[in-house]
Amino acid sequence: LAKTTQPISMDSYEGQEVNITCSHNNIATNDYITWYQQFPSQGPRFIIQGYKTKVTNEVASLFIPADRKSSTLSLPRVSLSDTAVYYCLVGAPYLTSGTYKYIFGTGTRLKVLA
Amino acid sequence: DTEVTQTPKHLVMGMTNKKSLKCEQHMGHRAMYWYKQKAKKPPELMFVYSYEKLSINESVPSRFSPECPNSSLLNLHLHALQPEDSALYLCASSRSGGNEQFFGPGTRLTVL
Repeated sequence: LAKTTQPISMDSYEGQEVNITCSHNNIATNDYITWYQQFPSQGPRFIIQGYKTKVTNEVASLFIPADRKSSTLSLPRVSLSDTAVYYCLVGAPYLTSGTYKYIFGTGTRLKVLA
Repeated sequence: DTEVTQTPKHLVMGMTNKKSLKCEQHMGHRAMYWYKQKAKKPPELMFVYSYEKLSINESVPSRFSPECPNSSLLNLHLHALQPEDSALYLCASSRSGGNEQFFGPGTRLTVL
């Protein structure tokens, strides 16, 4: 399994760009990188998924260097409502013969301050 | 409809009780999941159903019994639980395994 390592917590101020980096040194060829956001007492919410280079959607960007051993989630101009836990997952986007590699890591607690 | 619903929202049960958690989705997803989440911990995968067949069982104790009656429904039957089983139980679905998962709001379970 591709184990992920993220900072335990981060603080930021409203309006700033926040970058959360995830290390996944033993990522496999078929693995994708996925990020989820979770608010207290709610289920996680999918943010973005990518395989290589850069992916952007309406809420975030995901940067993946050529060696794919790390990835960075970028949240532009955060607001107080972005205070949440952010999880980086690495795994193949399909089930393979009874094994499942999409495991949630410890996550990063982002606190946005006014 | 892009929602996963879970009932009940809260459940308190004794160690001798039998209860069930229910999860429903109408997105046509063919993979459904049960997760357990303790406070300030990441979700832990319990079971995965793919095309209504149990695909993954992460060594979960037999006091938790999953059931997938059809492609839209997922149940988790609970029997003889322990206080340490108290947690938030999350259901999720995806088009196929590992893709973007849609999570429900969870059932907060307390075992007395």
